[in-house]
Amino acid sequence: QSALTQPASVSGSPGQSITISCTGTSSDVGNYNLVSWYQQRPGKAPKLIIYEGNKRPSGVSNRFSASKSGNTASLTISGLQAEDEADYYCCSYAGFTTWLFGGGTKLTVL
Amino acid sequence: QEQLVESGGGVVQPGTSLRLSCAASGFTFNNYAMHWVRQAPGKGLEWVAVVWYDGKDKEYVGSVKGRFTISRDNSKNTLYLQMNSLRAEDTAVYYCARRQNTDDFDIWGQGTLVTVSS
Repeated sequence: QSALTQPASVSGSPGQSITISCTGTSSDVGNYNLVSWYQQRPGKAPKLIIYEGNKRPSGVSNRFSASKSGNTASLTISGLQAEDEADYYCCSYAGFTTWLFGGGTKLTVL
Repeated sequence: QEQLVESGGGVVQPGTSLRLSCAASGFTFNNYAMHWVRQAPGKGLEWVAVVWYDGKDKEYVGSVKGRFTISRDNSKNTLYLQMNSLRAEDTAVYYCARRQNTDDFDIWGQGTLVTVSS
C-alpha cells in the first residue's frame, strides 16, 4: 500500500481560504467514510482536527472543514490565521485493520 | 486528564533490539484499541501497528511484520512495541495513539526517538 497523495505545500494570506487534497484509491479513501485529518506543529505530536470524514472534535475551530469526492478527500481552512501554519496530514482506514497516512502538506501563512 | 507518555527510545546499532513503552492515564485503557505511529526525521507519519482491546488481535505495516511485536498489559495500562532486527530505516519518532471507534487517532503521546546507527 502506498501513502495517500497530498500536495507538499500550500500557502495563503491571512483571511483567505485554502484547500488541501488527499488522494487515495477505491480500497481506502473511496471505500470508507473514515478519513481523518491531523495538524502538526514543529516538534509537537499530531492533533486530530477532523474525524469520520467531516466531524470536528470538541475545541477545534469551525474554520476547519472537510469533504470527500470519490477517492479524494479535502480539508478546507477558512479565514486563515497565522496560528494555522503547520503540517497537515490526512489518514484513511484502508481495510484489513490497516491505516494509511498522506505524505503531509506544509501550510505557510504569508 | 487523558494522557499517553512514551519511553524507551534511544540510539542502537543495526540488528539489535529495543522495547518502547507507552503509559496511559486518565481513561479506561482496556476500552480502546491502541496504535503505534512513527515519523522519520523530516518525513511524514506512518502507521506501524495496532493492538485490540484484549491484546489478542494485532496488525502491522508490511515493513515491520516479523520484526516488531505490539502488545499491551491492561493491568498496567501500558502499551509496548518490541522492535527486533532494527534497521537504519526504522529511525524515527515513535508515537503511541488511541483509536476511536471512528477509526482515527484522538489522543497522542509526545513521542520517543529511536535512532538506528552504527
